Amino acid sequence: NAGVTQTPKFRVLKTGQSMTLLCAQDMNHEYMYWYRQDPGMGLRLIHYSVGEGTTAKGEVPDGYNVSRLKKQNFLLGLESAAPSQTSVYFCASSYEITGLAGIWGYNEQFFGPGTRLTVL
Amino acid sequence: GQQLNQSPQSMFIQEGEDVSMNCTSSSIFNTWLWYKQDPGEGPVLLIALYKAGELTSNGRLTAQFGITRKDSFLNISASIPSDVGIYFCAGRLGAGNMLTFGGGTRLMVKP
Repeated sequence: NAGVTQTPKFRVLKTGQSMTLLCAQDMNHEYMYWYRQDPGMGLRLIHYSVGEGTTAKGEVPDGYNVSRLKKQNFLLGLESAAPSQTSVYFCASSYEITGLAGIWGYNEQFFGPGTRLTVL
Repeated sequence: GQQLNQSPQSMFIQEGEDVSMNCTSSSIFNTWLWYKQDPGEGPVLLIALYKAGELTSNGRLTAQFGITRKDSFLNISASIPSDVGIYFCAGRLGAGNMLTFGGGTRLMVKP
C-alpha cells in the first residue's frame, strides 16, 4: 500500500512550456485534491474531484486544468507555464464516511510527498 | 475566501521547552485539524478536533477546538529535535471535505 504518490518529484520548465503532474492513490478514495504551497501562505486548493469523471475549481484554479479519468489518478496540467506557478504542488485524497442516513463525515486527507516545480 | 491566521510564523526553541501555537479565523469551522510537514514531505495529520471545546491529546501534543469555533491551539510539551518542521492548522466547514489552511508555524529546536 503506497498511499498517495506523485510524479515527478522535481521539474524545471521554461515560461510557456506545458507539463502534467500525476497523482496516484491506491486506497480507493473517492475524493482527490491538488494544492500549491508557497512560503507563508499555507496550502491553497487548486482543483478537486469528488469522484471519477468529475472535477471542480478550488481557490486558485487559473492557469491549471485537471482530469480524473480513473478513480485512482488525478492529473494536474499546466498548458503554458508562468513564473508565478513556481511552487510546491501537493496531491491529497480522502473518502466519505456514510451511514443509513447518507454522508455523515469524511476521513482526513492523506497527502503525497509533493512536486517541486520551478518555472524560469 | 476564508482566512486562517496562524501564529507565530516561526519559533526557535531549546530542546525540552514547551511550545504553543494557535490559529484564529473570522469564520466558524466545524472541524479543526493540525498537520505537521517534515522537510521535503507532505503534511501528516497530527490531531483532529470535531466539537467546540474539545481538548485532545496525542502523546506530547495537545490541541483544543475553541468554544467560539473560530480558533484552535496546539501545544507541544518537552520538545525534542524531531519536532522540527512546519505545523499547519486547517479548518473545515460544510460538505465536500474542503479545507482552509493557515500559513504555517516553522518550528526549530536547538539540541
